[in-house]
Amino acid sequence: DAGVIQSPRHEVTEMGQEVTLRCKPISGHNSLFWYRQTMMRGLELLIYFNNNVPIDDSGMPEDRFSAKMPNASFSTLKIQPSEPRDSAVYFCASSLPGLTGELFFGEGSRLTVL
Amino acid sequence: QQQVKQSPQSLIVQKGGISIINCAYENTAFDYFPWYQQFPGKGPALLIAIRPDVSEKKEGRFTISFNKSAKQFSLHIMDSQPGDSATYFCAASLTSGTYKYIFGTGTRLKVLA
Repeated sequence: DAGVIQSPRHEVTEMGQEVTLRCKPISGHNSLFWYRQTMMRGLELLIYFNNNVPIDDSGMPEDRFSAKMPNASFSTLKIQPSEPRDSAVYFCASSLPGLTGELFFGEGSRLTVL
Repeated sequence: QQQVKQSPQSLIVQKGGISIINCAYENTAFDYFPWYQQFPGKGPALLIAIRPDVSEKKEGRFTISFNKSAKQFSLHIMDSQPGDSATYFCAASLTSGTYKYIFGTGTRLKVLA
């Protein structure tokens, strides 16, 4: 079975450029999460969706970050304009409805902003 | 109130030894405590989880010990193996509504052959 699919796996860009990260959750999962991982701060929840609706975006660092989930099989995280401090690994995760609670993570998108 | 504090930051253990990672939480409303394992270049994956109605859960060589009054829980890896070398994250969550995990900062474990 295909897991959570993220693209691109690696992105190197220059400061000021727009970055779009993409995620395809596991089919049938109704919750989707975007996390950011850095050495200093660990795994930070940026935003999560339930049934394609953003529920909590309190972790989004600032207005430069935006996320969408137009349908149950696709989500994007956009950074515009990007800054060097945005360099991190961005993970998408999805989970099943119900009380199991297990998060299934993708392999991440490593972003480097020069 | 929402933090989960994890220690140590890194850990080196000899093969066959016991690895112990500790976490502490503040919000007494948390009612689900999973541990995730992450190998380099991969996303975290669920290893084992516990709810506060039990004090211990064991799955193979992995055991979670939970102390509700102290608001602490720990992961014990018995007979540690080089293949266990990874980063381990504890987390806490509320099970009402959608799970919103608060992760610890991670422990990088290296098991020496």
